[in-house]
Amino acid sequence: QSALTQPASVSGSPGQSITISCTGTSSDIGAYNYVSWYQHHPGKAPKLMIYEVGLRPSGVSNRFSGSKSGNTASLTISGLQAEDEADYYCSSYTFGATLFGGGTKLTVL
Amino acid sequence: QVQLQESGPGLVKPSQTLSLSCTVSGGSIRRGDYYWGWIRQHPGKGLEWIGHIHYSGSTYYNPSLKSRVTMSVDTSENQFSLKLNSLTAADTAVYYCARERCSSTSCLDSYYGVDVWGQGTTVTVSS
Repeated sequence: QSALTQPASVSGSPGQSITISCTGTSSDIGAYNYVSWYQHHPGKAPKLMIYEVGLRPSGVSNRFSGSKSGNTASLTISGLQAEDEADYYCSSYTFGATLFGGGTKLTVL
Repeated sequence: QVQLQESGPGLVKPSQTLSLSCTVSGGSIRRGDYYWGWIRQHPGKGLEWIGHIHYSGSTYYNPSLKSRVTMSVDTSENQFSLKLNSLTAADTAVYYCARERCSSTSCLDSYYGVDVWGQGTTVTVSS
């Protein structure tokens, strides 16, 4: 069982927006703004998409955005594209450990 | 651009110790704001953080694996390593080496995520 809880799957049509939730506790997501999101295409290395809740590394599309409310963080992908189909993982840093969610499989219909 | 490359055996017997190394190229491992770590993914499962090490030698491990994990860093070779002992089939996974970026004082002061990943190496524990 993963430390952070994500839905197993979400889906959307090209051009639509989807949101993936990530629920933790008051000791991790609720305590710090150290939430990150990763995109993982099978067989490749994961890629950092969001850090510090809502910041994007250089080169990441502004179609990806992040937010947090209480113990739950969210990743929103707008204007869905076929290449967005992948697994997405949330992560939170706390008290000397990095926690990951169980992952959410995004299917672009 | 910094790149990471894992090396080590693909097959290990139960009860033995897994030893993996990660070579850092394109940059120095001696940066105060980076922690060098290991993350694994069991077949069909999510990511699991194993731990990370600072070039100074400070280590932080996943509490669930702490009793079996040792990490070390070799600044002269620009490499860091993982040892995981008492292996069982449950340790079969893809192992990634990774770079976590933090503030130069502590990850609790600022944490910027895992910004560089190795390609991953598959480790199977089987007799």
